[in-house]
Amino acid sequence: AQTVTQSQPEMSVQEAETVTLSCTYDTSENNYYLFWYKQPPSRQMILVIRQEAYKQQNATENRFSVNFQKAAKSFSLKISDSQLGDTAMYFCAFIITGTASKLTFGTGTRLQVTL
Amino acid sequence: DTGVSQDPRHKITKRGQNVTFRCDPISEHNRLYWYRQTLGQGPEFLTYFQNEAQLEKSRLLSDRFSAERPKGSFSTLEIQRTEQGDSAMYLCASSLGVGSMDSPLHFGNGTRLTVT
Repeated sequence: AQTVTQSQPEMSVQEAETVTLSCTYDTSENNYYLFWYKQPPSRQMILVIRQEAYKQQNATENRFSVNFQKAAKSFSLKISDSQLGDTAMYFCAFIITGTASKLTFGTGTRLQVTL
Repeated sequence: DTGVSQDPRHKITKRGQNVTFRCDPISEHNRLYWYRQTLGQGPEFLTYFQNEAQLEKSRLLSDRFSAERPKGSFSTLEIQRTEQGDSAMYLCASSLGVGSMDSPLHFGNGTRLTVT
């Protein structure tokens, strides 16, 4: 079975600063995708960034980047130049390639961006 | 593209009653998923459709739960004889899947169920 662990229930960062959210996962599979999703208060979950396990290069999307360490089964999210609109729950998620079905989510990290 | 829509946004029901939720996916998406999210937890997979076929069901989906996608478009999730433990946010998501490849999942706003 696959598991995803987010060990930081809550984090806080000042506007314009950088914050890193951690995620570890466990699987015996070799081909999979990893995701970070953002769920703002009372709003829908949206995809922030995606990483294919076979790619060594870390994915980046504007202010968001990941540090993917396959051997360590670690997948952290770095948010640079934090903005008030980044305040949300962030979920790390995992899917095995070819299963075309269920994502396995972590328990989430609540990020608060302050002035 | 109006996104994934779910109805109702909130539902309060008494224990023992039946409830039904609806999900309208993005129109060209052939795959539709239902997840359940309880407070302080990440979403948990319930079931998945490709077009009108229900291809996978989680062990979380007891026999009181039934999902349909009759014409491969919208989907309904029914819970019979609701229990307090059913209180949760029910999320619907859709994607465009071709073979083993999926576009990223697009989620709806969810239906928050409270069973009293």
